[in-house]
Amino acid sequence: EAGVTQFPSHSVIEKGQTVTLRCDPISGHDNLYWYRRVMGKEIKFLLHFVKESKQDESGMPNNRFLAERTGGTYSTLKVQPAELEDSGVYFCASSQAGTGLSNYGYTFGSGTRLTVV
Amino acid sequence: AQKITQTQPGMFVQEKEAVTLDCTYDTSDPSYGLFWYKQPSSGEMIFLIYQGSYDQQNATEGRYSLNFQKARKSANLVISASQLGDSAMYFCAMREPASGTYKYIFGTGTRLKVLA
Repeated sequence: EAGVTQFPSHSVIEKGQTVTLRCDPISGHDNLYWYRRVMGKEIKFLLHFVKESKQDESGMPNNRFLAERTGGTYSTLKVQPAELEDSGVYFCASSQAGTGLSNYGYTFGSGTRLTVV
Repeated sequence: AQKITQTQPGMFVQEKEAVTLDCTYDTSDPSYGLFWYKQPSSGEMIFLIYQGSYDQQNATEGRYSLNFQKARKSANLVISASQLGDSAMYFCAMREPASGTYKYIFGTGTRLKVLA
């Protein structure tokens, strides 16, 4: 079974440019999550999709961030325009429905390291 | 508010020794799950161990055990017989059903270095 795939693995862009991160969850996983870790700080929740619907986007920093999940499959996270403080590692995770508190089937991708210069 | 605190930014341990990584949490929900993840230099998040708030026994997974002290709200990770491959970043995390999303709340992490 393929895991959660994220690409690119690294991205270096200039301030003011646009970057789109992509996450392909495990097939059949209805839940898809985005997290971000800024250097030296905790990993923070950004948002949660159930299929194609946004269940919780309370962690999105501001309106420069736009997340979509087309047809309930892969998801994209666009940052436009990027600022220096957006640098960090962006993680995607997916899980099956109904796993409750255990982490059964909750799988993280390897992350995209975004550097804004 | 839910919070995870890891007070050790970095730790060193001699190979084959045991090490304890500290984690305290704060929540008002009686139902929650506690987790530890390992992040090696390659970047992936590797699940290590899980403890449910209603579990009576401390969780163990091979060389990993979770020292769960509910009254103190602590969930320390104990790694026995450390190996060089254990050098990595370790994150303590919590999930609650009250949020409706089962999202993780993470701590800031502890960087562990195992010395030969």
